[in-house]
Amino acid sequence: GENVEQHPSTLSVQEGDSAVIKCTYSDSASNYFPWYKQELGKRPQLIIDIRSNVGEKKDQRIAVTLNKTAKHFSLHITETQPEDSAVYFCAASRGWGGGNKLTFGTGTQLKVEL
Amino acid sequence: DVKVTQSSRYLVKRTGEKVFLECVQDMDHENMFWYRQDPGLGLRLIYFSYDVKMKEKGDIPEGYSVSREKKERFSLILESASTNQTSMYLCASSFVQPNTEAFFGQGTRLTVV
Repeated sequence: GENVEQHPSTLSVQEGDSAVIKCTYSDSASNYFPWYKQELGKRPQLIIDIRSNVGEKKDQRIAVTLNKTAKHFSLHITETQPEDSAVYFCAASRGWGGGNKLTFGTGTQLKVEL
Repeated sequence: DVKVTQSSRYLVKRTGEKVFLECVQDMDHENMFWYRQDPGLGLRLIYFSYDVKMKEKGDIPEGYSVSREKKERFSLILESASTNQTSMYLCASSFVQPNTEAFFGQGTRLTVV
């Protein structure tokens, strides 16, 4: 089955700096790569996703890049703010071939310091 | 606004008890999932269902079963609770179309003593 590795497990940045979280996946049939943000005590929520026919996607201060050849994808957050502090999870899915189920990485605890 | 609601926020059960965790969604989603969240291990899939009365094992199904009698409701059952099943349990749902967003419930923190 699919295996998703995520690094780093913790990340501390100064407010205004950029943060990068990286994930690798094992199943070459995976074609959907969402990122979820989980604030303390709350449910995970989708912040951005990318499909395999796209190399990069941006939404304001966040962006995701995908390298299908190398089987890795990354989340980039620019101009970090205290409200960006949360746990971030990457995930991968095969879509129809896998019942639309998501395989998650182990999470990155991002702390944005003032 | 999509709502995925889990019946309990916190639950304490004794070893050997049969435990039911309930999840209800109001978006007419075909797919429903149960995940377990543990520190350092991320979210691991226990079971999922893509239709009423249909179920498939995820990555860690041992010690668990599920029931889906109605489209909006998906139950996770711990047949005989053990201390190593102490965890946060998250329910999620999505449409059957591939590559669509999964919506999560607020989670149930289960402690088995």
